[in-house]
Formats: sequence, C-alpha cells, structure tokens
Amino acid sequence: EAQVTQNPRYLITVTGKKLTVTCSQNMNHEYMSWYRQDPGLGLRQIYYSMNVEVTDKGDVPEGYKVSRKEKRNFPLILESPSPNQTSLYFCASSAGSGTDTQYFGPGTRLTVL
Amino acid sequence: AQRVTQPEKLLSVFKGAPVELKCNYSYSGSPELFWYVQYSRQRLQLLLRHISRESIKGFTADLNKGETSFHLKKPFAQEEDSAMYYCALRVGSARQLTFGSGTQLTVLP
Repeated sequence: EAQVTQNPRYLITVTGKKLTVTCSQNMNHEYMSWYRQDPGLGLRQIYYSMNVEVTDKGDVPEGYKVSRKEKRNFPLILESPSPNQTSLYFCASSAGSGTDTQYFGPGTRLTVL
Repeated sequence: AQRVTQPEKLLSVFKGAPVELKCNYSYSGSPELFWYVQYSRQRLQLLLRHISRESIKGFTADLNKGETSFHLKKPFAQEEDSAMYYCALRVGSARQLTFGSGTQLTVLP
C-alpha cells in the first residue's frame, strides 16, 4: 500500500531533550516536506526536500533540522525542543511532476513540557 | 509572497443545506489552487484541484481570478462532510504549498 508513515505518533518530552521524528514514504517520491499544524494558523511548512541531499527552509524553520540521506526517509530533528514547538507535525511527499498531489502522513502530536 | 486566507474558522450548517467555504488568495500570477480535507482522526488528503475542474463527493470549486477566490461549494451538505478544510496554493513549478488557516465545517443533523 502506497503511504507515508511517521513515528512516533505521540510524544511527550521535556525542554532541551533532543528528539527525532521519522518520516518514510514507499512511493519513490522525490519531494518531501514537513509541516506543523497549530490552531488558527493552519499548516505551516518547516522544511522541504526536492531530492536526496537537497533540503531547504520553509516558512518556520527555526529550531528544526532535517536530513535527506535516502529518497524514502526525511527525519525531522529537534536538537533542543522548547514548549513553543508543541504542535501536530505532518510529513508529506509528492512525485516529480508539476501537478502532483501531496500525500500526507498520519501526523505526530508532540508535547514539550 | 503568496498568501491564502480562509476567513471562517468555524462554519455550521444543517444537513441538506448548501454550504460554501471561502478561500481568497493573493498572488499576481496564475496559481494552482487546491482544497485539502482532514476528517476526524484521519490524515490530510486532497479533495480537489482547480485544474481538474472535477466534482468530488459533491463538492466543486471554481477559480475566480478577478476576485482571487477559490470557494468550495456543495449544494446539499451531509453529516459525513464534517471535517477541517484547507485551501492551498502552489505557484509556478515549485512544489511547495501555501495553506490557509483552515475552516472547521460541522454539518448538524
């Protein structure tokens, strides 16, 4: 089944404790992206990747890092999480054409205490 | 920079009533517009895109370049339409999507 998976689905952590949220897609998509969803603000893009080893900042990249060593994986790294990073995070991927659909993961609900 | 505005955070209608979710965008060129939907406890998924000019689950949306709008409409709402709806815009060949803040639609019995 074609899908985007994220792990963990739920995470509660404390300020400053490094964490990684994994994202994997099995559709051989070139493009992958991370969003955060906050009430009243909708989805805001954190980082995106056009292909392996090619990443760029989205609208709200501060406090986040990403890597794209393999085509299928696009982990989101919080080196020193803070409470304002408490949010619902979505990973998405899409193929290489210009009118492709973005496929979203199930979301990761992160709480930073 | 491009921007997408969904003026209604919450919208409630009764079953069988018409529903319109508003979406306005700001971009001087020719954007590509989408509606994404997120049902309770499910992932975000594409509902429709303007270039397809299709009707999905009874919903339609017409791009009005003069008014820079892409409102989502359905003549007879159903309870299963209750969900969060996001309007999104893509510019040129870029794959990044700019989302609006979303409208939570509740269809009452």
